[in-house]
Formats: sequence, C-alpha cells, structure tokens
Amino acid sequence: RKEVEQDPGPFNVPEGATVAFNCTYSNSASQSFFWYRQDCRKEPKLLMSVYSSGNEDGRFTAQLNRASQYISLLIRDSKLSDSATYLCVVSDSGGYQKVTFGTGTKLQVIP
Amino acid sequence: DTGVSQDPRHKITKRGQNVTFRCDPISEHNRLYWYRQTLGQGPEFLTYFQNEAQLEKSRLLSDRFSAERPKGSFSTLEIQRTEQGDSAMYLCASSPYTAFFGQGTRLTVV
Repeated sequence: RKEVEQDPGPFNVPEGATVAFNCTYSNSASQSFFWYRQDCRKEPKLLMSVYSSGNEDGRFTAQLNRASQYISLLIRDSKLSDSATYLCVVSDSGGYQKVTFGTGTKLQVIP
Repeated sequence: DTGVSQDPRHKITKRGQNVTFRCDPISEHNRLYWYRQTLGQGPEFLTYFQNEAQLEKSRLLSDRFSAERPKGSFSTLEIQRTEQGDSAMYLCASSPYTAFFGQGTRLTVV
C-alpha cells in the first residue's frame, strides 16, 4: 500500500461545479497535512495547510479525518483557472519535515 | 526575485556524463529539500538539509547521487555517470514550516 494515495483522475467538471478530492494516508502517526497545486510543467505551490478542525480559504475547504486517515479538498464554484493537479502531502512530524507526496489528482474545468 | 532559484532550468546530457544542479533557497530558510518528479507522479523525496547538515537521504539516492550544502546556503546536487532513468524534473524546496519550491531543473539523458 502506498503511503499516500490519491485518485489520479482526471476529474472533468463544468465551470461553476463543486468538486471534491480525497487522499488517504497509511501512517497513523502523521501529524501535518497540506494540499499543493501543480500546473502543467511547473513547480508545486502550497494551496493550503489542513487543520484538524477543518479550514476554509475562499472557495476551497480542506478537512482531516484522523480516524479514517484521509484528508479532503472541496472546491466550490470551479473556475477554468482551477485546472491543475492537486497534490496531497503528509508529514510525519509537525511542520514540513519528512513529507510524502501523493501522485496527484488532475482537475480539468470545462467551459 | 526572493523565491527559490534553480539553475539550470533545462539540461540535456549524454548517458555516462556527470551533471550538477544548483539551488539557492529563500535566504532565511534553514531547511532545504531535493525531490525528483517524473511524468504523472508526485515529487519523490531525495534528501534534506538542516543548515549545512544532511539529515536524511532516500534510498532512491544511489551512490551516483551526491548533494551538498557547504555553508548552509545554496545546495548542489550532482549525478555521476547519468543513466536514461535519471531523466526527470529535479525540484528544490526550502522551508521554515511549509515548503516553497523552485521551478526545477528538467534533466534529459540521451
């Protein structure tokens, strides 16, 4: 079993739709969680950290379920500019230290 | 530009040659990471520095790979006797808490 698993997609959604991605992790001792966004042939960029209580940033909501060992990312009112690959990142310590990336979920928002 | 800088951006080399990449992190970040990414995959951890100390190396980092961060500032990643399987994007990131990535060096071994 991979340490961090994501559905690679692609998820093809119309503009304005709501889309959700899940990511599961195998290490129950994992402490920090992040979502990164990666555009084609570009470097990953931090989208948001994921907190235990869940957190929201505009149209993006991230949630953590420690009991089931998954994190989720919800995007509301999808924009064409949201088209990218979304990478789930899990750290086994506080902050960004020893981290493991998922393979990413590709999102394509269609006009 | 005060972000993470990597040089070169692209490198084409013949199999068997040595290559060296450079990463200049954000100046106040004491942690520096190297990752390798191939098409359709997430970044794979290679190695990690805290200041000049190399604290962790992935088993992916064979003896042909070496990384240094001599003064705790910039870092170099060297690949000796390159193989076609080394073709990938090599990403550097620096971090206080969350990581900021450079634009990467795309290596093609022909």
